[in-house]
Amino acid sequence: DAMVIQNPRYQVTQFGKPVTLSCSQTLNHNVMYWYQQKSSQAPKLLFHYYDKDFNNEADTPDNFQSRRPNTSFCFLDIRSPGLGDAAMYLCATSRDHSGTGQPQHFGDGTRLSIL
Amino acid sequence: AQTVTQSQPEMSVQEAETVTLSCTYDTSENNYYLFWYKQPPSRQMILVIRQEAYKQQNATENRFSVNFQKAAKSFSLKISDSQLGDTAMYFCAFMKLDSNYQLIWGAGTKLIIKP
Repeated sequence: DAMVIQNPRYQVTQFGKPVTLSCSQTLNHNVMYWYQQKSSQAPKLLFHYYDKDFNNEADTPDNFQSRRPNTSFCFLDIRSPGLGDAAMYLCATSRDHSGTGQPQHFGDGTRLSIL
Repeated sequence: AQTVTQSQPEMSVQEAETVTLSCTYDTSENNYYLFWYKQPPSRQMILVIRQEAYKQQNATENRFSVNFQKAAKSFSLKISDSQLGDTAMYFCAFMKLDSNYQLIWGAGTKLIIKP
């Protein structure tokens, strides 16, 4: 089945130690998203890629970076995680059909804990 | 700016009952899309239903249906014959036609189905 896969499901890192979360997709979608979701809250968009074009949300901290080396893979890098960055990180994809309201398809998420 | 409001932080019903989750939104746009997403505990966010604002007919997916009232800017979700597996967070989301793929999310409603 075509899907969005996030690894790992659970990630523990130390305060200030860089961490990378990964996402892959077999849907061949042009658009990939990274969201941060804190407990029982709505997801908060960090950034998205349209193909290789990177779009950063205005309020996304500089501490968060992303890479998309090819259509299938996207990475979220947190350069110096703070306690406030502990959250679920969701990757999502959607098809490139501007103006047609394509739904987003989500991975299972990576739960990040900071020690 | 668009906003989405879900006024019920938490609801619970008995299995097999019908439940309605409310969602209202604010926009000056005439054409847009509305979505309901379901996020079960520790599981993937999935699309429940999608509505195109220019279609008057309410969207339906099996036991899930919406009551879309464009003039009132209301988009409620009805779940018929509720099942234990319907226990989840439910998020209402709005997308402008020219949104550059961005979703505006409601705060979510936690739905508990009791046996």
